[in-house]
Amino acid sequence: KNEVEQSPQNLTAQEGEFITINCSYSVGISALHWLQQHPGGGIVSLFMLSSGKKKHGRLIATINIQEKHSSLHITASHPRDSAVYICAVRSLAGGGADGLTFGKGTHLIIQP
Amino acid sequence: DVKVTQSSRYLVKRTGEKVFLECVQDMDHENMFWYRQDPGLGLRLIYFSYDVKMKEKGDIPEGYSVSREKKERFSLILESASTNQTSMYLCASSSGQGALQPQHFGDGTRLSIL
Repeated sequence: KNEVEQSPQNLTAQEGEFITINCSYSVGISALHWLQQHPGGGIVSLFMLSSGKKKHGRLIATINIQEKHSSLHITASHPRDSAVYICAVRSLAGGGADGLTFGKGTHLIIQP
Repeated sequence: DVKVTQSSRYLVKRTGEKVFLECVQDMDHENMFWYRQDPGLGLRLIYFSYDVKMKEKGDIPEGYSVSREKKERFSLILESASTNQTSMYLCASSSGQGALQPQHFGDGTRLSIL
């Protein structure tokens, strides 16, 4: 079973700062997802990666398959970015359908 | 846009009751999932389904069952609710069986068992 670790668990930053959230996993994967969960519960899929780098607006996600590591970056952070960010992986070895293993999440607060 | 709708945002039930959580998606997705989310534990997969009438156990299926009679609807059933099933329950769906398909989540049901 894949072990997914995220760091930091909690992060408080000032508006405008550059934010980095890290995710590492223990077993080879076919895909890695970054998800965002706002207070109230709804989860939105931000990125899905199998290699390299993806960018969407102020969000950038990178993955290093050899090192089993991914990062989510937020440039020019804003209070509306405050949310829990969750990393999830689909292992090469197992899971029918899209069975994912999730990290515990990073709780990000951006202060004005 | 994909819409995954969970029937209730908040639900309070009593120990021993049979509880049904309903999830409907409108994008003809093959795959549907039920997760629970608990503080400090993250999301954990309870059951998933990759087709009508098909179901597979996830990581924590004990105390739960599921039903998928129609492609758009996936129900989670707590046969005899217990207090340790108090949690946030999230439904998700995705297309096909490829690894590179995103999962689309509902808004969640916060279930309290008294």
